[in-house]
Amino acid sequence: NAGVMQNPRHLVRRRGQEARLRCSPMKGHSHVYWYRQLPEEGLKFMVYLQKENIIDESGMPKERFSAEFPKEGPSILRIQQVVRGDSAAYFCASSPVAGPTEAFFGQGTRLTVV
Amino acid sequence: DAKTTQPNSMESNEEEPVHLPCNHSTISGTDYIHWYRQLPSQGPEYVIHGLTSNVNNRMASLAIAEDRKSSTLILHRATLRDAAVYYCILGSQTGANNLFFGTGTRLTVIP
Repeated sequence: NAGVMQNPRHLVRRRGQEARLRCSPMKGHSHVYWYRQLPEEGLKFMVYLQKENIIDESGMPKERFSAEFPKEGPSILRIQQVVRGDSAAYFCASSPVAGPTEAFFGQGTRLTVV
Repeated sequence: DAKTTQPNSMESNEEEPVHLPCNHSTISGTDYIHWYRQLPSQGPEYVIHGLTSNVNNRMASLAIAEDRKSSTLILHRATLRDAAVYYCILGSQTGANNLFFGTGTRLTVIP
């Protein structure tokens, strides 16, 4: 059973371009979470999705950021018109159920905006 | 979100036990206590979680104070591979896993 797969591992974008980060949860997991980690800081929750639904997006910036988790395929975190401040590591986690249980994290996508 | 307080850093000698403290004085009755760790350049890794009773698993033990306002993660024999940032996090019983990480404790293991 493969773990949470994120790709790409590293992504470089110029200011103003779009960044698309993909996350394939563990098999059988229908709950996906996205986190952002700025250099030398802890992880910040962004959004929680369950198949085709956004459950909690309280940590998502109001503009330029969106997330989806379609019925088929990976979850996508999309950042439009990237700026230098978007440079960070973006982690995805999945769990089989809601509630207090072990969450499995991917290796992250490191986004660099130049 | 209920907050946790952890020391910024700790050191331990290899093969000795490590006790990582966490204060969470504003914990609510339904909040679980989760511990994750993050090795350099990797995603966080689940360590353990509990509600009221002490918990043990293959990685660590979690000792929870009777009033639940503090807890301690215990690594029984530290190895060099245990060097990481350890996060103590409070999670709602119904709030899924949208966990709120703090800055954690950076554990250095001395050979």
